[in-house]
Amino acid sequence: DQQVKQNSPSLSVQEGRISILNCDYTNSMFDYFLWYKKYPAEGPTFLISISSIKDKNEDGRFTVFLNKSAKHLSLHIVPSQPGDSAVYFCAASLGGDDKIIFGKGTRLHILP
Amino acid sequence: DTGVSQDPRHKITKRGQNVTFRCDPISEHNRLYWYRQTLGQGPEFLTYFQNEAQLEKSRLLSDRFSAERPKGSFSTLEIQRTEQGDSAMYLCASSSLAVSQPQHFGDGTRLSIL
Repeated sequence: DQQVKQNSPSLSVQEGRISILNCDYTNSMFDYFLWYKKYPAEGPTFLISISSIKDKNEDGRFTVFLNKSAKHLSLHIVPSQPGDSAVYFCAASLGGDDKIIFGKGTRLHILP
Repeated sequence: DTGVSQDPRHKITKRGQNVTFRCDPISEHNRLYWYRQTLGQGPEFLTYFQNEAQLEKSRLLSDRFSAERPKGSFSTLEIQRTEQGDSAMYLCASSSLAVSQPQHFGDGTRLSIL
């Protein structure tokens, strides 16, 4: 069973607009959440993380929102740029040093 | 840039052969993880080391798989008697001992079984 779910396999967004990627999780014990970005033929690259004690974390154009009651998190990218076209993985762990459970990924296409 | 390094990048072998992959983590990182990724899926956890101690193994890691980290630095993942279902990308990641530090991934070894 998928403990981390990304229900949108792909998403297309116009350059300059906001990209919103969504993720749901089932295990309420998860306390550390991460987003990774992956280009073809490369490993996942860490993007941003959030601890369960927070509901928002921001890093430049990237913001992650966490709604613990809904077991939902989202990644906002604004403004979207062509280099943002990639597969984005939502991930969670039980404690920051534990193994990571990944979703299946969402492929983001930034349109010119 | 001393990121996580994996070797080889690609491995093609016949079914039934043994293969070994190597991972060199970021030098100051004590934790080292192995994951496997198949098409259309996210990476799946295989096993994890803290220094030289193997602390956890997934049930995905059958007895044909073995991983070592003999001196707490680089790690090897060996697959014996490879099967078609072993075809995947094998990813290595490392992280520091500090609380809630992200794992940093290498570019993986793609294994193809003929």
